[in-house]
Amino acid sequence: GQSLEQPSEVTAVEGAIVQINCTYQTSGFYGLSWYQQHDGGAPTFLSYNALDGLEETGRFSSFLSRSDSYGYLLLQELQMKDSASYFCAVRDLTTGGYNKLIFGAGTRLAVHP
Amino acid sequence: SAVISQKPSRDICQRGTSLTIQCQVDSQVTMMFWYRQQPGQSLTLIATANQGSEATYESGFVIDKFPISRPNLTFSTLTVSNLSPEDSSIYLCSVEDVGIWDEQYFGPGTRLTVT
Repeated sequence: GQSLEQPSEVTAVEGAIVQINCTYQTSGFYGLSWYQQHDGGAPTFLSYNALDGLEETGRFSSFLSRSDSYGYLLLQELQMKDSASYFCAVRDLTTGGYNKLIFGAGTRLAVHP
Repeated sequence: SAVISQKPSRDICQRGTSLTIQCQVDSQVTMMFWYRQQPGQSLTLIATANQGSEATYESGFVIDKFPISRPNLTFSTLTVSNLSPEDSSIYLCSVEDVGIWDEQYFGPGTRLTVT
């Protein structure tokens, strides 16, 4: 089966850099995604890595090492609005043959002044 | 990007009744998904709804409890039947297009409380 592990909580100050790690176990691997969810809001897509390496999108970067079954989300120049939950997710095939996302338990990031 | 709306945004229902949640997308999409999320918890996939075929349910979820309709490429409904307090949760729909695996778009969710 699929399993993902990520820290439950991370705390940082404004302007700092924080890294949220995710390790996974999958029977097949199609890529690692990251989603952000503010309290009371919908999850929103941040990034997707199918190949090893670093993907950069503004203040956010995501890294993947397929050989280590490991990835991380890097948030730079933290702002108060970055306080949210961050989920890593891997793809798997459903029983009907469609791909689906399996989400980690989520990391709650609190950014303080 | 797709814009998704859900109705109702929240509801309080009595035990034993049913609630039907609607999901409307502003563009035609092939794949629609229904998730359940307890506050502060992860997202659990209930089923995948592909237009023109029966929904595919994940382990632990059955059609009698969570019937789904997908009449066209922009709309789906999820019914939560025979409600119990354990069904109190947030229900979200999401969409993605076949072959575009890098992003799912989520609706704002429906917060259900069962009394």
